[in-house]
Amino acid sequence: GENVEQHPSTLSVQEGDSAVIKCTYSDSASNYFPWYKQELGKGPQLIIDIRSNVGEKKDQRIAVTLNKTAKHFSLHITETQPEDSAVYFCAASDSNYQLIWGAGTKLIIKP
Amino acid sequence: DVKVTQSSRYLVKRTGEKVFLECVQDMDHENMFWYRQDPGLGLRLIYFSYDVKMKEKGDIPEGYSVSREKKERFSLILESASTNQTSMYLCASSLGGGVLTFGAGSRLTVL
Repeated sequence: GENVEQHPSTLSVQEGDSAVIKCTYSDSASNYFPWYKQELGKGPQLIIDIRSNVGEKKDQRIAVTLNKTAKHFSLHITETQPEDSAVYFCAASDSNYQLIWGAGTKLIIKP
Repeated sequence: DVKVTQSSRYLVKRTGEKVFLECVQDMDHENMFWYRQDPGLGLRLIYFSYDVKMKEKGDIPEGYSVSREKKERFSLILESASTNQTSMYLCASSLGGGVLTFGAGSRLTVL
């Protein structure tokens, strides 16, 4: 079955710098890759997703890139702000029902 | 504003007790999910349902059962709680397409 590894587990960056979180997956049939953000005391919320027919997708300060050959995808956050502090989860799926999740990355934005 | 509501944010139960975790969504979503979240393990799927009275086992169903008598409500049941079921439980729903809307979570402590 699918396995998703996420790195790093904790990432601390200076406010205004960029942050990159990387995930690798094992199942070449996976075709949907969402990223969720979980703020303290809340459930995860979708922030961006990408399908396997696209290599990159951007939404303001966040972007996701997908390398199907290498089976990895990454979340890029530019010009980080204090409100970006959260736990970020990647996931992969070959269907619309079951997502396999990474272990999560705690992003800390230092003032 | 669409919502997934988990009725209990914090519960403390004793070993052997029967525990009910309730989840209600107001979005008319067909699909509903129960996840367990533990540090370093990401989100693990316990059970999901894509229609009333339908249920499917996820990755870690042992020790749990579910009930979906109405479209909007999906309940997670621990028949006999054990200390290793101490965790954060997240309910989610979707209309398909992989976008999950999560509740805020129910933190269960089993003593």
